[in-house]
Amino acid sequence: NAGVTQTPKFQVLKTGQSMTLQCAQDMNHEYMSWYRQDPGMGLRLIHYSVGAGITDQGEVPNGYNVSRSTTEDFPLRLLSAAPSQTSVYFCASSSYGTEDQPQHFGDGTRLSIL
Amino acid sequence: AQSVAQPEDQVNVAEGNPLTVKCTYSVSGNPYLFWYVQYPNRGLQFLLKYITGDNLVKGSYGFEAEFNKSQTSFHLKKPSALVSDSALYFCAVRRSSASKIIFGSGTRLSIRP
Repeated sequence: NAGVTQTPKFQVLKTGQSMTLQCAQDMNHEYMSWYRQDPGMGLRLIHYSVGAGITDQGEVPNGYNVSRSTTEDFPLRLLSAAPSQTSVYFCASSSYGTEDQPQHFGDGTRLSIL
Repeated sequence: AQSVAQPEDQVNVAEGNPLTVKCTYSVSGNPYLFWYVQYPNRGLQFLLKYITGDNLVKGSYGFEAEFNKSQTSFHLKKPSALVSDSALYFCAVRRSSASKIIFGSGTRLSIRP
């Protein structure tokens, strides 16, 4: 009963480095999304996907790339890390349809950019 | 465009008293509304949702929320607060079933014994 799994849980990067945050879900959910959480800013949507092969931008997409090659996985890529990207990142998934279902969240990835 | 506002950064309530956490939204059409709770160092957990039907929605842990279309509000309520209710609460909205979900800035609820 894994739900939404995020790896790694913690990461420290240097400015300019790239990395990929992994997100996997085992509930066959169509909808997946990435948020960043910063103090006083709540959760801000970075990118989302309504199914394999389909992605779209959220509120704060700059500096991040995503792809959705399978239903299960939705990785988030930082192309060239900047200190402003220091944050806690959450991945979430849900099904949707006539009975809209709530999102299931991972436990987060705490990312520090030096 | 859709947006959510949680006007209070923090709400302080004595144990046993009723609590209200406020949320207002802006979205075209009929909204899908949600409340989530976050405990320290964890992801968000679903509390309740409003999609259609009765304006008073009941959820987990004794929480309920009232949808008010004229005031575009979806306030979270509980008749008698517990110390264990202390956490960060988020309101969220989506415009339709397959659209993006937008969260508010969060309200920290603190229940004193």
